[in-house]
Amino acid sequence: GQQLNQSPQSMFIQEGEDVSMNCTSSSIFNTWLWYKQDPGEGPVLLIALYKAGELTSNGRLTAQFGITRKDSFLNISASIPSDVGIYFCAGQTLRAGGTSYGKLTFGQGTILTVHP
Amino acid sequence: DTGVSQNPRHKITKRGQNVTFRCDPISEHNRLYWYRQTLGQGPEFLTYFQNEAQLEKSRLLSDRFSAERPKGSFSTLEIQRTEQGDSAMYLCASSFPGTSGTYEQYFGPGTRLTVT
Repeated sequence: GQQLNQSPQSMFIQEGEDVSMNCTSSSIFNTWLWYKQDPGEGPVLLIALYKAGELTSNGRLTAQFGITRKDSFLNISASIPSDVGIYFCAGQTLRAGGTSYGKLTFGQGTILTVHP
Repeated sequence: DTGVSQNPRHKITKRGQNVTFRCDPISEHNRLYWYRQTLGQGPEFLTYFQNEAQLEKSRLLSDRFSAERPKGSFSTLEIQRTEQGDSAMYLCASSFPGTSGTYEQYFGPGTRLTVT
């Protein structure tokens, strides 16, 4: 089945630094989403990407939908302590006819630690 | 608009007992999804509903698992004869049709199940 490889597995950075993480797949996805999860809570949607090559920003977050549709990248600029958490990428494929497929396939997550 | 809610937040049960979890989606969201997440992993898809119809079930959903959404609003997930391997966070998400047939999924806080 489809699998997503997310890297790095963990990152330890100083407050103010920029962060980059990525997600690759062996198969094509039509939608890429990035979520952040705090301990004991559900994932929170950060950014959704719908077109190959698309670059989308949400505040200090910028994500890109890879041109091959098999990868995606998330960048966080000027990190702050509240950026701490686990970041997950998720991919979604379309059913034939263009109706969005329900299932999300998640990566293993990137654990981000920000030192003040 | 309140978000997705799940009850209970935590459940401790003895092996062999049955448990039931409830999910209330964001109002007017016609799709509802169940995922399972174990420690250190991303969420894994279990099943999803469009209105009251169950459209897909994962092979992870053994015969001991059953999900319902009888009136197309809230959903329940029941696990019969629980096993220690069922210990996990059970996440619910809901979505509505966006542009281009996309469905952005919004997650609840999850129910943490511990089977002793």
